[in-house]
Amino acid sequence: EAGVAQSPRYKIIEKRQSVAFWCNPISGHATLYWYQQILGQGPKLLIQFQNNGVVDDSQLPKDRFSAERLKGVDSTLKIQPAKLEDSAVYLCASSSRGFGANVLTFGAGSRLTVL
Amino acid sequence: GDSVTQMEGPVTLSEEAFLTINCTYTATGYPSLFWYVQYPGEGLQLLLKATKADDKGSNKGFEATYRKETTSFHLEKGSVQVSDSAVYFCALSAGSGNTGKLIFGQGTTLQVKP
Repeated sequence: EAGVAQSPRYKIIEKRQSVAFWCNPISGHATLYWYQQILGQGPKLLIQFQNNGVVDDSQLPKDRFSAERLKGVDSTLKIQPAKLEDSAVYLCASSSRGFGANVLTFGAGSRLTVL
Repeated sequence: GDSVTQMEGPVTLSEEAFLTINCTYTATGYPSLFWYVQYPGEGLQLLLKATKADDKGSNKGFEATYRKETTSFHLEKGSVQVSDSAVYFCALSAGSGNTGKLIFGQGTTLQVKP
């Protein structure tokens, strides 16, 4: 079974520039998550999709971050304009269901450095 | 709100030593508890889980018991190997209308020396 694919693996930009990350979940997984992992901290949920609908985006900084999951498969996370504090690893995860004792499968992550 | 607290690292052990990484949680209702591991350069992987009180999760020699009375889920291994060097994350899934999202602790780095 193919895993969760993410790209790019690394990205360096200057503050106020924009960046986009892409995620392809495991085939058939209806639920997709984007997490932000700042160095030395645990991952923090940014947004959760169930198919192409948003379930939870309460911690997404909506003035600069946006995410979409067209057709309920691939997803993109965009940051515009980027700030220094956005330097982090952006993790995408998927699961077959969106409730209960849910096992998430994570991608390798996209590391963003904002200069 | 729901939260997870882990012991601070790094934890440095010699090969074959006994490992304990402490994890406590605060949650409404009856959470499910997880340990995930992150090896260098790789994504988070599920190590083990427990879904109700007194359940014991186990995998690859690691064990953790869901203790509701102490709100804890400590990770243990009897004899660590160099290949166990990684960052370990305790996590929970809970809340009203539990959507399956995970709330993570800050992670504990384990270094095992030969």
